[in-house]
This record gives sequence, C-alpha cells and structure tokens, in this order.
Amino acid sequence: EPEVTQTPSHQVTQMGQEVILRCVPISNHLYFYWYRQILGQKVEFLVSFYNNEISEKSEIFDDQFSVERPDGSNFTLKIRSTKLEDSAMYFCASRADPGKAFFGQGTRLTVV
Amino acid sequence: QKEVEQNSGPLSVPEGAIASLNCTYSDRGSQSFFWYRQYSGKSPELIMFIYSNGDKEDGRFTAQLNKASQYVSLLIRDSQPSDSATYLCAVAMRFGNEKLTFGTGTRLTIIP
Repeated sequence: EPEVTQTPSHQVTQMGQEVILRCVPISNHLYFYWYRQILGQKVEFLVSFYNNEISEKSEIFDDQFSVERPDGSNFTLKIRSTKLEDSAMYFCASRADPGKAFFGQGTRLTVV
Repeated sequence: QKEVEQNSGPLSVPEGAIASLNCTYSDRGSQSFFWYRQYSGKSPELIMFIYSNGDKEDGRFTAQLNKASQYVSLLIRDSQPSDSATYLCAVAMRFGNEKLTFGTGTRLTIIP
C-alpha cells in the first residue's frame, strides 16, 4: 500500500540551527500538508501546499518556516533558526481525493 | 478561535460492546468533520469523514453529525482490543480543505 515517507525519524538539533525535514508524498497526490504535535498536545496545522505554492498557513508558520517541493517527489519543511519550543513531532500528509489525507509516520524534532 | 472539544478520557469499554466517542466544535461555519485514530507514538490514521447531517457507516464505524447542535460522534461496534487508541476529532471549514483543527483526543481502552 502506498504511504507517505518521512525522514529522518528523529532529529536532534541545537537551538538556533537550521533543520530540514523531508517527506515523500504518495506519488499521485497533489496536495501536501505539514502538521505538528507537541508532546501531549493537539495536532496543529502548519501549512498546505498545492501547485507549487502555499495555499494556506497557520499563525505558527511564521518567517522561520518555509516549504519547498524541490524535485517533484520530495516535500520539505525548513526551520531556519530553531527554538526550544519547536520541539515536536512533525507530520507530513498528502492527498489526492478530498477528505482522504494520509499522514506520514512523523519526524520527532528535539531542539536542545 | 476555532475550538474542537473532546472528553480526554480514558474511556474503558468491554470487548464486543459499542464505544461512543463525542466531539463538539465552536465554529458554526465548519463544513467537514473527520475522525482519526492515533496509536501511541504513531501518526494519525483516517477512519472516516462526514459532511452531511445524519449517519455515515463504514464497517464497524458509524459517524454521526448534527450541525444544529455542533456535535459529531463516532460509534465503534463490536469493539476489539486493537481499537484501543486515542481518537482524534478534526474539523475543516470546507470540504476538500485539509486545514484541520484537531481536538485533544479521547483515549479509548477496550477491556478483553
């Protein structure tokens, strides 16, 4: 069964460093999303991406965040200067049909 | 501020019984409603979505939506130990828009 793949599964970084989280969406999907879940808290929407541009973003997705689809298969989330409060599980999701978004297994980001 | 409220549980249900999970939402303009299952440390997995008032059945799962009461529920029939997980309710402003607002989830335990 096709699945959304995220790498790495766990990333530890020092505060102030840049991180890039990578996702390979399901191949025929055109809509892509990033969500995050701080430990013990709700899943929160960050950004949606379609047709090579951001279609919506949340208040969390400030200038420190960016997304890119560099090569037609990968979808990346970059955090330019990480803060302690960026520590969370980051989920990539993709969909073809409305309502049927599939989540990747997540990248646990730990900022120290 | 859009809110999605769920009883955090834990909800304990004997194996074979019906588990009933409830969710209320604050934004009356919400149009589509989702139930996800999340095992501990794993990503959300879509169970089903609903966007019309009434019931929608998929196997052992039935989603119920009442827009007038701003209430959505999930019934799980013939509960199995493998159904033990956290169930996340999520809401979107329009169908096809996966800018989802999630609740905190209800932890369900099926007792063998």
